[in-house]
Amino acid sequence: EIVLTQSPGTLSLSPGERATLSCRASQYLNSGYLAWYQQKPGQAPRLLYFDTSIRATGIPDRFSGTGSGAVFTLTISRLEPEDFAVYYCHHYGDSPTFGQGTRVEI
Amino acid sequence: QVQLQESGPKVVQPSEALSLTCSVSGYSINSGYNWGWIRQTPGRGLEWIASVSKAGGTANSVSLRSRVTTTIDTSKNQFSLKLTSVNASDTAVYFCVRGGISGYTIDYWSQGTLVTVSS
Repeated sequence: EIVLTQSPGTLSLSPGERATLSCRASQYLNSGYLAWYQQKPGQAPRLLYFDTSIRATGIPDRFSGTGSGAVFTLTISRLEPEDFAVYYCHHYGDSPTFGQGTRVEI
Repeated sequence: QVQLQESGPKVVQPSEALSLTCSVSGYSINSGYNWGWIRQTPGRGLEWIASVSKAGGTANSVSLRSRVTTTIDTSKNQFSLKLTSVNASDTAVYFCVRGGISGYTIDYWSQGTLVTVSS
């Protein structure tokens, strides 16, 4: 089973700052089947990116997803107040798995 | 707009079976995609449980495989989860989803339901 390790566990930033979130896989993801989700308290996760770098419908362009192989990154160029949440990466291959999450807090 | 809504008991007795059904609206599950179950706890985070295809093919988490059964009823546009021999560690928020396996990302989630295992 592929293990996804997200870092850092918590990111303390201010509105307007840049956030860089990392997701490392224990094996190469040749398929590129890597997604990012945002979750706020009491809500289901919201899809931000899929296939590593394809932005989901309605997601602002301040979010960007990049990566290849075993290292993937979600960048938020300028944090807005509504971006403070928990972010998860997800590999949706034949044995799906999630990272443990990165909390972006003020 | 695709919507998923889970239903089932909110409290389950230890050693009993947890059963949930997901009703889908806005999309015919017979049209395609895999349909799955995810759970979330503060300690383990998000955990994939199982997925089922429109043809009834299934895939289960290795750690839960011996206790999980998933079925699909295309005539009712529903799919279901059964998790047997539950214990306190199965207490979680359970989500039903569209996608999540074999190259299909999860694009739709239910709102989630807290199922508590307790006597």
